[in-house]
Amino acid sequence: IAGITQAPTSQILAAGRRMTLRCTQDMRHNAMYWYRQDLGLGLRLIHYSNTAGTTGKGEVPDGYSVSRANTDDFPLTLASAVPSQTSVYFCASSPEGLAGGPAINEQFFGPGTRLTVL
Amino acid sequence: SQQGEEDPQALSIQEGENATMNCSYKTSINNLQWYRQNSGRGLVHLILIRSNEREKHSGRLRVTLDTSKKSSSLLITASRAADTASYFCATEDSGGYQKVTFGTGTKLQVIP
Repeated sequence: IAGITQAPTSQILAAGRRMTLRCTQDMRHNAMYWYRQDLGLGLRLIHYSNTAGTTGKGEVPDGYSVSRANTDDFPLTLASAVPSQTSVYFCASSPEGLAGGPAINEQFFGPGTRLTVL
Repeated sequence: SQQGEEDPQALSIQEGENATMNCSYKTSINNLQWYRQNSGRGLVHLILIRSNEREKHSGRLRVTLDTSKKSSSLLITASRAADTASYFCATEDSGGYQKVTFGTGTKLQVIP
């Protein structure tokens, strides 16, 4: 079934630990995104990738890193988790990318990862 | 600060009634999108309206865009219990750095 998958579904993590959230899409979309969703703040963009091999910083990139080695995968890493990173994380993809390209198309979202940092 | 701000934050209506949600934004945009999020799930794209469009329809959805007022509205006609969800607007900034910014959402409850 075409779409985006995220893993894990949920995770409880001790502060200071390293964690990688996985995201895979099989729609051959160029662009991928990571958001965090917190109550009262909506979705905030963490990092994005216009195409394989490139990444960019979003609104709240500090404490997070990403890589885009191929079209399908876009992992998000927390090098040393802190309690303020407790959130629900959504990965998304779209056929087109940002920055200089045509107007963005709809984004397709994964089911989310609920992360709690203690 | 958020680019898009939805209003109201929460809305409760009876099944069959119409639901109207509003989104205001701050900067010039290329387009505006509306998404729905069911509890505990990812967002689902509903409709996209470009900055040179004023109104768009999709099934029971009607979206308007007023770029002079920097606002948009989403109307859901003849609401159903299954429409219960949170609704978000997302704007693509037309400035030098193109990005999509989501609002804080309107939580809609449709009572059967």
